[in-house]
Formats: sequence, structure tokens, C-alpha cells
Amino acid sequence: GAVVSQHPSWVICKSGTSVKIECRSLDFQATTMFWYRQFPKQSLMLMATSNEGSKATYEQGVEKDKFLINHASLTLSTLTVTSAHPEDSSFYICSARDRGRSPGLGEQYFGPGTRLTVT
Amino acid sequence: QKEVEQNSGPLSVPEGAIASLNCTYSDRGSQSFFWYRQYSGKSPELIMFIYSNGDKEDGRFTAQLNKASQYVSLLIRDSQPSDSATYLCAVNIMGGSYIPTFGRGTSLIVHP
Repeated sequence: GAVVSQHPSWVICKSGTSVKIECRSLDFQATTMFWYRQFPKQSLMLMATSNEGSKATYEQGVEKDKFLINHASLTLSTLTVTSAHPEDSSFYICSARDRGRSPGLGEQYFGPGTRLTVT
Repeated sequence: QKEVEQNSGPLSVPEGAIASLNCTYSDRGSQSFFWYRQYSGKSPELIMFIYSNGDKEDGRFTAQLNKASQYVSLLIRDSQPSDSATYLCAVNIMGGSYIPTFGRGTSLIVHP
């Protein structure tokens, strides 16, 4: 149980285009989903917290107009990187929190990640 | 500022030995603690979580929590080369938005 999928697993796009990444919880309902970015050999960086039915909360320094997050249902959140540039090339990982557990105790389950390369 | 500290390593142990990974946290309100394993180029995978003081065992893994001293550790018995990865410690606090705080991870190398 507690499986999270991400699509696509990798994507190459040209500078200036937009890319959408989907994150789905397959066998549980996720009130909260998180979006992270990880550069090579660096730690996870939380970008935003996405709650179903409400606006995402972005971490300091993350441009909300560039990284659009939509949490449309209890099983789906999307991250759209708008007008992507080479410096946006990174490993984007989503995670989901199980709605069935107390939020203070609930563990996260990570998706497999999406490797974005902007040329 | 909520902080979770881990030694970046690498921690190198021989196959069959016990690997001990440590994590300290600054917020005394922390309630739940998690260990994730991340292989190079992959996303983190949940290994264990612990909420209460003491030890929690799951197979070759044991998580130890000491809230008074504000540390949580992960012991891996009979270490295997396949255990070589980065181990991330994460801490949730009560109240607020329950956003977990991650440490930077400890790199573990198990050599044959």
C-alpha cells in the first residue's frame, strides 16, 4: 500500500516552454501533497505544500507564478513549470501524506521523481 | 528555526557490521520521526517511523528515539552492500502545518 506515482519520469524540453508533472496517490487519499526539488548531490528542497481544494503554500524564494500547483482531488496534484529555463533543470519529487493518519504523525510517501532537463 | 542535523558522511562500514546513523533536532515540540533511504538518482523511500521514546525494530533496522536528548538514530544490522545509500532523517512537529523538516542526509557505504 501507500503508492505514489509521478508522470512523466523524465522530460526534456526547450527553454521557454512549459512542463506539467502529475503526482497521484494510487491506493490512499492524500489531503496534503508536497513538491520537492533536488539538485545533484544536494539535499531535498521543499518547494510547496499542496492541500486539496485550496491554494498551495510556497516556501520562501519559490516563485508561485513560475511553479503552478493544482491539487484538484484527494489523489492528484500537478506541478507546472512555466517558461522553463536551463537553471530549472532538476529532479522534481512529490510526496503524499495519508489522510487516514493524524497530520502530526503521518508519514510521507514519495513518488519516483521526474527528471527535468531544459535545453 | 527548526533544524535537523545529520553528519553528511560518508560512513563506511564492512559488510556484516552494524551501521549507526544519527540525527539531532532542535525543536522540543517534535512528535514524529522518520528515516528514509535514498539511492543515487532515485526518490526517498520510507524505512521506519517512530513516535515514542525507546527502540523500534523492523527486520535488520532499529530506530531509537531519545526525546530528552533530542536525538533519533537508525541502526542497520548485518549491513549489506545494497544498503549503500543516503539516509534522510525527517521530523514533524505538532501544531502549525505539520510540514516535516529533513536533514541533509548521511551517505552510507557498505564495502564487501
